[in-house]
Amino acid sequence: EVQLVESGGGLVQPGGSLRLSCAASGFTFSDYWMTWVRQAPGKGLEWVATLKAEGSEKFYVDSVKGRFSISRDSAENSLYLQMNSLRVDDTAVYYCVRDPMVVWGQGTTVTVSS
Amino acid sequence: QAGLTQPPSVSKGLRQTATLTCTGSSKNVGYQGAVWLQQHLGHPPKLLSHRNNNRPSGISERFSASRSGDTASLTITGLQPEDEADYYCSAWDSSLTAWVFGGGTKLTVL
Repeated sequence: EVQLVESGGGLVQPGGSLRLSCAASGFTFSDYWMTWVRQAPGKGLEWVATLKAEGSEKFYVDSVKGRFSISRDSAENSLYLQMNSLRVDDTAVYYCVRDPMVVWGQGTTVTVSS
Repeated sequence: QAGLTQPPSVSKGLRQTATLTCTGSSKNVGYQGAVWLQQHLGHPPKLLSHRNNNRPSGISERFSASRSGDTASLTITGLQPEDEADYYCSAWDSSLTAWVFGGGTKLTVL
């Protein structure tokens, strides 16, 4: 069964950091582009970052450039999102997605608040 | 990053047909097509249609997607109460090198 399981969310103060993880199973992880998508409370879906299969190219939404970093470890079948300098408006459920938007994890909640 | 345009809400009666639209540009919807996602409250999104308008395994034949130029459409026939949900379209934008989303359409089944 193809599955994505996120972890690492939690409550953090503004300016703090979190590292999200996504464990992939049931498919050849290294073959696929992977993406993070977030959803703020009561809002729509927002693309955050995408990483090509071979890990050479990364793409970010403007609002997180310079603060977030997407990476992958194909040996561990894992995707990561390092989030630094967190802001209140980063509060959201963060979903790990296998491109092109085909498989979604259950999400992990990030709350940025003092 | 500019998004795709979806109507905020659509209401239809039980067993009727609803058609949801998603308008983009030649750089996104018109480039490789759009995916359609369904999201029930409190749940993650679920893929209803691939970019090539094919349904994933397990998705009801009542859901069908199409595209004309820069506009993608999702048609849901024989509306059921469980179809009441938020529907999102998304496409890869070749100019922005980014995924773009529509704002979502809330479908109400009366």
